[in-house]
Parts: sequence; structure tokens; C-alpha cells
Amino acid sequence: DVKVTQSSRYLVKRTGEKVFLECVQDMDHENMFWYRQDPGLGLRLIYFSYDVKMKEKGDIPEGYSVSREKKERFSLILESASTNQTSMYLCASRLQGYGYTFGSGTRLTVV
Amino acid sequence: DAKTTQPPSMDCAEGRAANLPCNHSTISGNEYVYWYRQIHSQGPQYIIHGLKNNETNEMASLIITEDRKSSTLILPHATLRDTAVYYCIAPGGSNYKLTFGKGTLLTVNP
Repeated sequence: DVKVTQSSRYLVKRTGEKVFLECVQDMDHENMFWYRQDPGLGLRLIYFSYDVKMKEKGDIPEGYSVSREKKERFSLILESASTNQTSMYLCASRLQGYGYTFGSGTRLTVV
Repeated sequence: DAKTTQPPSMDCAEGRAANLPCNHSTISGNEYVYWYRQIHSQGPQYIIHGLKNNETNEMASLIITEDRKSSTLILPHATLRDTAVYYCIAPGGSNYKLTFGKGTLLTVNP
């Protein structure tokens, strides 16, 4: 089975900190994604990458950046964390033409 | 993305079949329908997808109407662990982006 691993299950960071959320997949998938999930708002796409070093903005990219230097790893960066970025962050990967595989999520709290 | 409409909640007795409907009346001819579910505090889990023909795997069956305007996900023998939010998605022309609606909260009762 494909595995998507997110580095942390829970994180607490201070306002203004630079935060790195890491995601690794083990099945050579081309496409990788970062979503955030908030109550009442569902899952919203932040950024995605369709190949190494390629990235595209999703619906809510403001305040975030991403990095994909290797095919298996897709990092989400909060340049200066703010309290409105407190959320559940979900990483997913996909082989073109097939379904998505999601990680277990990182629950980030910014205080 | 084709717009999908699902009931907000459904109940099912343990051991019975759970039939979850989804309307996707604006779906185009080459759009797949995907189903995912999300158990509380976990990432969404892929269940099944289909284009025109009915599909079955170890988790569920997917019935797509001939006009492709609606589909039904069937869990043949629901268990308490099937309690989750179920999402029906038609990504459409986007090969990358999945748009999740609010889904259906299925509660399986003992």
C-alpha cells in the first residue's frame, strides 16, 4: 500500500515563527498536495505539485509556500505563522489517473 | 469540477447495507466519480471510483446511473467502524485538484 507520512501529528508554534510541515510518500507518485481542513469549511487546497520543482497555487496560498526538491517529499512552509493558520493540515499524493492517498494529518496550533 | 450534492447525514443499522447517494447532474462525459471517507481526526481515505460501469472492490460497490447524473456508494454490511463522513467528488477537467464538499455523515448504529 502507498504510504503518505506527515512528520508530526501535533504541533504548537508561536506567532511569527517559521514553520515547516513535511510530507513523504513512498510510491513514486508524480502529484502531491497540501490541504487544510477547518470546521464548516471542509478541505481547501493550499498548493500542489505535479512534478519535482513544479508547484501551483491552490485556492488559499496566501501565507504559505512549498518546496519539492525530491519526488518523494513535499514541504509546506508557513513563513510567519499566525493564529488564523491554526488548522488540520493534510498532505496527499496521487499517481496520475488514480485516486489520492492522504496522510494522517498534522494538527497545528499557533499561539 | 462538477457540482455534487449529498444528504448531510444518514443512519444505518450495523450489519445492514448502507446506500449513500450522490447527485452530479452537471458531470461531463469523461469525468470520473470518486468516493472518499474520513473517519474523525484522520485523513480522507480513498474508497472507489468509476466512470460509467458499476465498480466493486473489497471496500464497497459503486453504482452509476446510465445517464451518469447520480451514483450510489454501497457498503454491503456496515460496521461501527464505517461511521465516517463520506465524500462524493467529480474532479472534472482538473487532473489535480479535488474539491471536497461537506459530504454525508454516516452513523452506523449497533
